[in-house]
Amino acid sequence: QAVLTQPSSLSASPGASASLTCTLRSGINVDTYMIYWYQQKPGSPPQYLLRYKSDSDKQQGSGVPSRFSGSKDASANAGILLISGLQSEDEADYYCMIWHSSAYVFGGGTKLTVL
Amino acid sequence: QVQLQESGPGLEKPSETLSLTCTVSGGSISNNYWSWIRQRAGKGLEWIGRIYSSGSTNYNPSLKSRVTMSVDTSKNQVSLNLSSVTAADTAVYYCAREVVGESQFDYWGQGTLVTVSS
Repeated sequence: QAVLTQPSSLSASPGASASLTCTLRSGINVDTYMIYWYQQKPGSPPQYLLRYKSDSDKQQGSGVPSRFSGSKDASANAGILLISGLQSEDEADYYCMIWHSSAYVFGGGTKLTVL
Repeated sequence: QVQLQESGPGLEKPSETLSLTCTVSGGSISNNYWSWIRQRAGKGLEWIGRIYSSGSTNYNPSLKSRVTMSVDTSKNQVSLNLSSVTAADTAVYYCAREVVGESQFDYWGQGTLVTVSS
């Protein structure tokens, strides 16, 4: 079982909100991890969006709009990237990442389609 | 503005050693971590490993036996060697900066495509 699992795709309408999940493998407690989120558009390297551990321990990437935010769902053992007020430019691949057992681990990525 | 530029051969033969260099401009190599991350065509991101400016390293356990990273502070460069390559190592290879204490990758290179083929 992968350390981080993301749904492969998600579709949402312009102006709506999208909730992208990053589920940690059973036995790895989301509460103890900082979760990092990256956005990647075709032909470009990923760009850092934000990191989230708790409401008191989080950081927005430089220049990243506030409509991108992080949270957690402890009951689902998952990190969440919430994008509100979706715009066509938000269509991209989104990756979560954690530092686990002295290594960085990426989720498989979610392709967000805005239509 | 920090800029990272990966360079190296775009084609490697199977069983050979892939060697890439990341040149950093607009900032210092010192007091930062430098990671290598790869992405196979149409696939997700895979962290290969990182090196601190002092030379200490962390590697992805799945690649550890084949990976060596080094740093040359005089040239502001970090290097990646991946030995015994196969077609499965064909990917775009990125270098990225990680500020100590921050842990996110805030600057990335544009990436370089390496194809492993005979």
